Amino acid sequence: NAGVTQTPKFQVLKTGQSMTLQCAQDMNHNSMYWYRQDPGMGLRLIYYSASEGTTDKGEVPNGYNVSRLNKREFSLRLESAAPSQTSVYFCASSENSAGGGTGANVLTFGAGSRLTVL
Amino acid sequence: QKEVEQDPGPLSVPEGAIVSLNCTYSNSAFQYFMWYRQYSRKGPELLMYTYSSGNKEDGRFTAQVDKSSKYISLFIRDSQPSDSATYLCAMSRTGRRALTFGSGTRLQVQP
Repeated sequence: NAGVTQTPKFQVLKTGQSMTLQCAQDMNHNSMYWYRQDPGMGLRLIYYSASEGTTDKGEVPNGYNVSRLNKREFSLRLESAAPSQTSVYFCASSENSAGGGTGANVLTFGAGSRLTVL
Repeated sequence: QKEVEQDPGPLSVPEGAIVSLNCTYSNSAFQYFMWYRQYSRKGPELLMYTYSSGNKEDGRFTAQVDKSSKYISLFIRDSQPSDSATYLCAMSRTGRRALTFGSGTRLQVQP
């Protein structure tokens, strides 16, 4: 019963390098999310996928791309990393659709991926 | 101005104290209010959530929502050192349930 699994846990990049953060959930959840967490800023939504086959921008999408590979997996790609993208990245999933409907949208988070861009 | 404001702390209390954690928000469309707990170097985990106004109790934790004041609170009774963590409030809007988070309050409970 792993929940939400993120890889890698730590990564150091040089400016301009690219990388992909991987996320997988085993709870058969419909929606998946990528957040970044910075000191004093809280969690900010980068992209989300309300259901398999759909993706939407969140609050801070610039410099990132995402792929909802299947119902289980949602990856986040940095094409040309910048020091401003140094952060802790969290993947999350929820049973309910992120796009609307009724009921609370309870998110289950992964353990995070710490990214440093030099 | 952020949609959700939360005092970053740190808030340091002795073991057994009653703790009050608070958030204010500006968007009256928020309907669901949640509290997440995040231990150091871990992901946030849901503590509890409430819908619209009112109180909800779960063991030592009580969540309160005052929509007229756009103010929510989390009370922790008989606080324990294991409660030491960062507490994040989160909210979602009617018809769009991606969450908006506060910046978190760091709580330290001293033995």
